[in-house]
Amino acid sequence: GENVEQHPSTLSVQEGDSAVIKCTYSDSASNYFPWYKQELGKGPQLIIDIRSNVGEKKDQRIAVTLNKTAKHFSLHITETQPEDSAVYFCAAGSYGGSQGNLIFGKGTKLSVKP
Amino acid sequence: EPEVTQTPSHQVTQMGQEVILRCVPISNHLYFYWYRQILGQKVEFLVSFYNNEISEKSEIFDDQFSVERPDGSNFTLKIRSTKLEDSAMYFCASSGLGEKLFFGSGTQLSVL
Repeated sequence: GENVEQHPSTLSVQEGDSAVIKCTYSDSASNYFPWYKQELGKGPQLIIDIRSNVGEKKDQRIAVTLNKTAKHFSLHITETQPEDSAVYFCAAGSYGGSQGNLIFGKGTKLSVKP
Repeated sequence: EPEVTQTPSHQVTQMGQEVILRCVPISNHLYFYWYRQILGQKVEFLVSFYNNEISEKSEIFDDQFSVERPDGSNFTLKIRSTKLEDSAMYFCASSGLGEKLFFGSGTQLSVL
C-alpha cells in the first residue's frame, strides 16, 4: 500500500526565514497531495493542495512543489511568522470522487522563534 | 464558514465498554470519514462512507468498529468493546464530490 515519508520531524526557524518540509510517496497511482496544519487541540486544517498535473502551486507565503518522477513533494513557507508554529502533515491520495483515503506523513513540528 | 463538529470533545471509558463518537458533517457534503491519531503519531485513515454505505476501510477498522448515518445530519463511529489501544484522538471529516477534505476538532478517547 501507499507509504508517505516526511522530513524533518522537527524544524526550528527564526521569524522571517523560510521553512521547507519534504515528503516522498511510494504509490505512483497517487495524484493528490494536500498539506495540513494542525494547531494544538485542533483538527488538521487544509492549507494547500496540489494535483499531479501541475508541478507547483502558490498561495501567498505558502507554496508546494511536486516532482512526479521522483515521487516527492515539498512545502515551502516564506517569511515565517510565530503564528506559523504548528505541526504540518503531508498526505497522498487519489483525486476525484472521494479524496478521503489519504495516507499521512508523520508530521513536522515547526517552531518559529520571534 | 461551515465546519465539521464533533461531540464530545473528550470521552473517558472503561476497557470493554461501548462508545459512540458523534459528528455533524458539513451539510451539503456527500462523503464522510473517520480518522484517528494516536498521541504523537500520524493521522490514520479508518473508514469512508458514501451513499449510506462504507466505501473503503483500513485494516484498523475491524469488527469492533461500525459507522452509521442515523439521520440526515449525524455521522457516528461506534466501538463495541473498547481496548486500551483504542485510546486516540478520533477525527471526523467530510467532503463534497471531488472536493477537499475538512476535519473536525476531534474527540479525545481515553480507555482506562
